Parts: sequence; C-alpha cells; structure tokens
Amino acid sequence: SQTIHQWPATLVQPVGSPLSLECTVEGTSNPNLYWYRQAAGRGLQLLFYSVGIGQISSEVPQNLSASRPQDRQFILSSKKLLLSDSGFYLCAWGREILYEQYFGPGTRLTVT
Amino acid sequence: AQSVTQLDSHVSVSEGTPVLLRCNYSSSYSPSLFWYVQHPNKGLQLLLKYTSAATLVKGINGFEAEFKKSETSFHLTKPSAHMSDAAEYFCVVSGRKGGYQKVTFGIGTKLQVIP
Repeated sequence: SQTIHQWPATLVQPVGSPLSLECTVEGTSNPNLYWYRQAAGRGLQLLFYSVGIGQISSEVPQNLSASRPQDRQFILSSKKLLLSDSGFYLCAWGREILYEQYFGPGTRLTVT
Repeated sequence: AQSVTQLDSHVSVSEGTPVLLRCNYSSSYSPSLFWYVQHPNKGLQLLLKYTSAATLVKGINGFEAEFKKSETSFHLTKPSAHMSDAAEYFCVVSGRKGGYQKVTFGIGTKLQVIP
C-alpha cells in the first residue's frame, strides 16, 4: 500500500529565516506530487505540482519554491520567510490529474 | 475556466438527521469531482469521487453524492448524521484540456453535529 510522509509536523520560524519542508511517498512510482497551503478560513491553495523529477509547475507567484530531486520526494523551500507564509502545508500525491489525490498529515508552520 | 462554489461555509445538524452539503462547479473541461473530509489538524481524506461513470456515487461512512450536469452540482448527502461526521468538507473539481491540468478546491464547509 502507498503511504505519504511529511515532516516536520509543526514548525515555528522567525521572519526572514529559511524554510525546508519535505514530503516523501512510498509504495508507488512516478506519482504526481502537489504542495498546498491552507490558511485559516481560506480553503486550500495549490502552490506547486510536479509530474516528474525536476518538473515543477507553480500555480501562483510567491515567496516559496519547490523541488523534486527524486521520484518520490518533494521539497518546499523558502530563502526568507514572511509572516504571510504561516499556515498548514499539505503534500499530496496522485496518479493522474483526473483522479483522486492522497494527502499527507500536514505541517503547521507559524512564522513569528 | 474552472471554479467550485461551496454554498454554505457552516452547516449545523442534529445527530441522526440528514446531512446536505452543497457544491456547484464550472469547468471548460470534462471534469472529475471529489469530496474530501478534514478533521482538525489532519490531512484530507477522500470521501468519494465522480469520474464520468455512474452519476450517483457512494463513498465511505455512508456518504453519497449525485452529479447533475444540468445543474452543475455535486451535493454531498448522508441520511443520518453521526457525531464523528463533525469536520470540514471540501468539494474539488479536477480537469484537463489538452496539456493543461488544473485542480480547484472549494473553500470548505464546516459541519457541526449537535447531540
């Protein structure tokens, strides 16, 4: 069976500090991978998705970047965090855009 | 263009009564539609999906949804609410046109179940 991991589970970082969130998937190969941000009262916002190693599409301009160094690894980064980067970050995988996604447990990021 | 509208941000029902969570969508593509549930500080779990097969879709935990193309709706229902159903529910549309792929989430509906 497939599983998806995210870490850390919670993170408190000061403004201006760097960020690295990691997501890994087990039990499948060549998945589509997604990063979402969920801010209070605003639903989920798709940040990035990837259909393969080194292939990253960004949905919205922002202070964040994503990388996919390995088939089942997806990393969300920032060089300098802003207060507005606070939120709940969810990683997900799916086999194809028309089909369901499977979500990780999420990372709660608080920027102070 | 593609969008999802969840018509109610909060729904409150008594335990044992029916649940109705409303979702309308628009899409230029041939979309797939999904409902997900999220309990506090957890990831999202798939409840059910419509992918151009039967229009009445049955999901987990007694939930079902009906795809109505003429009304562009995909409302989520359950005959009898349970306390464990209290959570936030997201309607999602996913579509592809040529090489362009897009997934759009609704803003969510918080379901409160009153004992």
